[in-house]
Amino acid sequence: QQQVKQSPQSLIVQKGGISIINCAYENTAFDYFPWYQQFPGKGPALLIAIRPDVSEKKEGRFTISFNKSAKQFSLHIMDSQPGDSATYFCAASRQGGNKLTFGTGTQLKVEL
Amino acid sequence: EPEVTQTPSHQVTQMGQEVILRCVPISNHLYFYWYRQILGQKVEFLVSFYNNEISEKSEIFDDQFSVERPDGSNFTLKIRSTKLEDSAMYFCASKYGTSNPLAKNIQYFGAGTRLSVL
Repeated sequence: QQQVKQSPQSLIVQKGGISIINCAYENTAFDYFPWYQQFPGKGPALLIAIRPDVSEKKEGRFTISFNKSAKQFSLHIMDSQPGDSATYFCAASRQGGNKLTFGTGTQLKVEL
Repeated sequence: EPEVTQTPSHQVTQMGQEVILRCVPISNHLYFYWYRQILGQKVEFLVSFYNNEISEKSEIFDDQFSVERPDGSNFTLKIRSTKLEDSAMYFCASKYGTSNPLAKNIQYFGAGTRLSVL
């Protein structure tokens, strides 16, 4: 029940296209859902996060869509760029909680 | 921009040896964490630390592991007797701890220490 399932495992998108990564959770106590971006040799860095009182959050080219009833959330990267090529992790925790539960990660490659 | 600093970047050790991984969290942060990532797998929570004590730990964090904040700036993870399966990237993270709902959950990660147990 603590798991966060993430798909796809890898994704190749053409420059300018839309990248979509999906996550699903089971624990209804989760109420904070961040996305982290990780480049090779670096630690995960917070990209964008959402709480379940909103269905969508947009920051620049990055949008999180949240479906509370389905217990699913997704990251959309608009106008994908080669510099977006990285591993993306969804995560979940309780508000103010200590432990981030991560998804399995998606390796995104944006081709020219 | 302040960052979490981890040393060393790569640690090689023999099975059965003790290792200490070091972290310097962001200076005004109050909550500290260790996570690990086995090659090609997801990031897993190990332990959280607040007010000089462990606040939560996972089933991975057994008696072979310990954490310490020996002074006002360092946060360490000790593995007493390393096993082959301890080989992984270990990430330290820290969080400020604020009532601001927009900021209170943000954990900042270091670049990690790659531990190789031979």
